[in-house]
Amino acid sequence: GAVVSQHPSRVICKSGTSVKIECRSLDFQATTMFWYRQFPKQSLMLMATSNEGSKATYEQGVEKDKFLINHASLTLSTLTVTSAHPEDSSFYICSASSLLTSGDTQYFGPGTRLTVL
Amino acid sequence: RKEVEQDPGPFNVPEGATVAFNCTYSNSASQSFFWYRQDCRKEPKLLMSVYSSGNEDGRFTAQLNRASQYISLLIRDSKLSDSATYLCAVNRDSNYQLIWGAGTKLIIKP
Repeated sequence: GAVVSQHPSRVICKSGTSVKIECRSLDFQATTMFWYRQFPKQSLMLMATSNEGSKATYEQGVEKDKFLINHASLTLSTLTVTSAHPEDSSFYICSASSLLTSGDTQYFGPGTRLTVL
Repeated sequence: RKEVEQDPGPFNVPEGATVAFNCTYSNSASQSFFWYRQDCRKEPKLLMSVYSSGNEDGRFTAQLNRASQYISLLIRDSKLSDSATYLCAVNRDSNYQLIWGAGTKLIIKP
């Protein structure tokens, strides 16, 4: 149980393009989903928290107009990196939690490695 | 002071040895505690939740010390496959966010 998928696993794009990443909870309903970014040899950095049907809450310093989050259902959240630039290259990981079944426990997707040329 | 702190390591440990590391947290109101492991270039995977009474899962034992505000992870009879970065996480508040430590790198040597 508690499987989270993420797609795509890897993407290479040109500077200025937008990239959409999908995060799905496959076998449970995720009341909350989280988006993280991790640079090489650094710790997880929370970007935003999203609850189904409401606007995402962004961490300080994360531009909400650049990182668009949509949480359309209890099993799907998307992160769109708009007008990507080389400094956005990173490992983006989503996680999902279910208040009803596992409280604060977060289950992670396999991550998306973004390279912006 | 960081909200959650870990010794970054690396801990270089011979195979078969016992290794332990701690994670300190600053919010005395925290109620949920976790250990995750993260392999290189992979996502974190839940290792175990940490309960107030302590818990054990095979070779892994987690303890919570509320008075001193730290959690610990003990690995017995370490295997080469235990080599990874171990992340601790503590709940932030009622919005179910977790605060993450930077991780402790463990290297098990043959």
